[in-house]
Amino acid sequence: DIEMTQSPSSLSASVGDRVTITCQASRDITNYLNWYQQKPGKAPKLLIYDASNLEAGVPSRFRGSGSGTDFIFTISSLQPEDIATYYCQQYDNLPITFGQGTRLGIK
Amino acid sequence: VQLVQSGAEVKKSGASVRVSCKASGYTFTDFYIHWLRQAPGQGPEWMGWINPKSGGTKYTQKFQGRVAMTRDRFITTAYMELSRLGSDDTAIYYCAIQVGRNAFDIWGQGTLVTVSS
Repeated sequence: DIEMTQSPSSLSASVGDRVTITCQASRDITNYLNWYQQKPGKAPKLLIYDASNLEAGVPSRFRGSGSGTDFIFTISSLQPEDIATYYCQQYDNLPITFGQGTRLGIK
Repeated sequence: VQLVQSGAEVKKSGASVRVSCKASGYTFTDFYIHWLRQAPGQGPEWMGWINPKSGGTKYTQKFQGRVAMTRDRFITTAYMELSRLGSDDTAIYYCAIQVGRNAFDIWGQGTLVTVSS
């Protein structure tokens, strides 16, 4: 199975800050990576697909980049509604696997 | 496009549970239905998929022999049955589909399954 390792596991930032989350795959997954946002009591919501493509309706402050084994998820200017847990997910190989999540809070 | 799941379940260890996922707003046979689960404080875990057109399935090895995914095309509903439940099966179970990209862009609301001894 491909292991997905996210860093950090949690972080706090101020409104307006730039936030960066990293995701590392245990082997090359090309760009077969997606990013999700999950708020308490809700299903995950797709934000970024194929490493860098913004899902329709998702604010442009969210951005994804990377390929191979190393990926970055960025929020350019943190907003209060961005408080959530974020997950990366690979689909290069079955079984589909997710990172353990990054819990984002407000300072 | 919507997926609506059945309600919460409480089961004893060793029992089985069946969760349903009613699809609407699209042609049921167009997209595989995936099942995932999320234990408390953990990331989602993919369990497998069912092809609604053929009924063919693919399960992750972890659940082989213990999970069965089925569907009823006439009522556009998919089912996931998990047997021999243990306390570590306590989780929220989701169905999800990939509409137009290789990502889970439509999710059910989730079904909490609690396993007690």
